[in-house]
Amino acid sequence: EAGVAQSPRYKIIEKRQSVAFWCNPISGHATLYWYQQILGQGPKLLIQFQNNGVVDDSQLPKDRFSAERLKGVDSTLKIQPAKLEDSAVYLCASSQTGSNYGYTFGSGTRLTVV
Amino acid sequence: RKEVEQDPGPFNVPEGATVAFNCTYSNSASQSFFWYRQDCRKEPKLLMSVYSSGNEDGRFTAQLNRASQYISLLIRDSKLSDSATYLCVVTGERGYSTLTFGKGTMLLVSP
Repeated sequence: EAGVAQSPRYKIIEKRQSVAFWCNPISGHATLYWYQQILGQGPKLLIQFQNNGVVDDSQLPKDRFSAERLKGVDSTLKIQPAKLEDSAVYLCASSQTGSNYGYTFGSGTRLTVV
Repeated sequence: RKEVEQDPGPFNVPEGATVAFNCTYSNSASQSFFWYRQDCRKEPKLLMSVYSSGNEDGRFTAQLNRASQYISLLIRDSKLSDSATYLCVVTGERGYSTLTFGKGTMLLVSP
């Protein structure tokens, strides 16, 4: 079974620039999550999708972050404009509907904002 | 108060030692509990689920005390390969299927 695919693996941008991350979940997984993990911290949920609908985006800084999952499969997370404090690893995860087991994370995108 | 709090680390132990990690959670309605392991520069991976009756997987034992809102992980006979960050995780804080992570406790096992 293919895992959760994320790209790019690494990204370095200057502050105020924009950046986008892509995630392809495990086939058949209806639920998709984006987490932000700052160095030395645990992952923090940014947004949760169920198919192509948003379930929880209460911790997403909506003034600069946006995410979409148009066809209920792939997802993109965008930051515009980026700030220094956005430097983190952005982890995508997927799971079957209603399950908190079988939560599979991608290898993440490491973003550095300079 | 943070949703999930863990012992600050790192824990430095010699091979063969027994080490215990502690975790508390703030929401009494939390439903499911886990320990995840995260290797350096890797994604988190499920180590084990945690039940009120306690559960054991080889050298690893996890316990849950719902009354005290406390979770523990015990590692016996530590190996070099156990060196990693251990993340305490609960669900129910933000929905049944959403994981809320603690900050993690780093374990360093030395020869």
